[in-house]
Amino acid sequence: KAGVTQTPRYLIKTRGQQVTLSCSPISGHRSVSWYQQTPGQGLQFLFEYFSETQRNKGNFPGRFSGRQFSNSRSEMNVSTLELGDSALYLCASSLQGSLSYEQYFGPGTRLTVT
Amino acid sequence: GENVEQHPSTLSVQEGDSAVIKCTYSDSASNYFPWYKQELGKGPQLIIDIRSNVGEKKDQRIAVTLNKTAKHFSLHITETQPEDSAVYFCAASLAGNQFYFGTGTSLTVIP
Repeated sequence: KAGVTQTPRYLIKTRGQQVTLSCSPISGHRSVSWYQQTPGQGLQFLFEYFSETQRNKGNFPGRFSGRQFSNSRSEMNVSTLELGDSALYLCASSLQGSLSYEQYFGPGTRLTVT
Repeated sequence: GENVEQHPSTLSVQEGDSAVIKCTYSDSASNYFPWYKQELGKGPQLIIDIRSNVGEKKDQRIAVTLNKTAKHFSLHITETQPEDSAVYFCAASLAGNQFYFGTGTSLTVIP
């Protein structure tokens, strides 16, 4: 079974621009979560989507948004990029059944804002 | 919300020795505790997990223990090998809902 895939793997953007990242979960998984990873802050939860609905949200500004499609693929968007948005953005998928809690990560998208 | 603390932040061991990483959590309702290994340039990989109804779980050279009363859990790696060198993260979750991660432990296994 294919793992979680994220595109693009690397991205360089200029301050003020916007960016869209994509995540395809493991086949059959209905939940997709997004995380920001930086050396100083570690892994920080952005939001989680389940069946096209945002179910949980972390403490990030409204510039960070996401959505999930009917095939469970998810996108996250960051508008008006700031230098501090440079990070590894990870998505993770899970089955989210009553007996299945495991969450599996993709390889991440490395975003650099200049 | 939940708060997960992880220690130590860095750990160096000789090949063949054991490594232990410890985490504490604050929310007694948390019932799922996974451990992840992250190698350079890759996403975190789930290596072992434990649920609150179990005190210990083993998978070959890796084991995890959970003390619900004290609200702490630990990762034990025995007979360490150079390929075990990576950053390890613990996490806590309530039934697979929002995960709270520790700050990571950089493990170096010296050949």
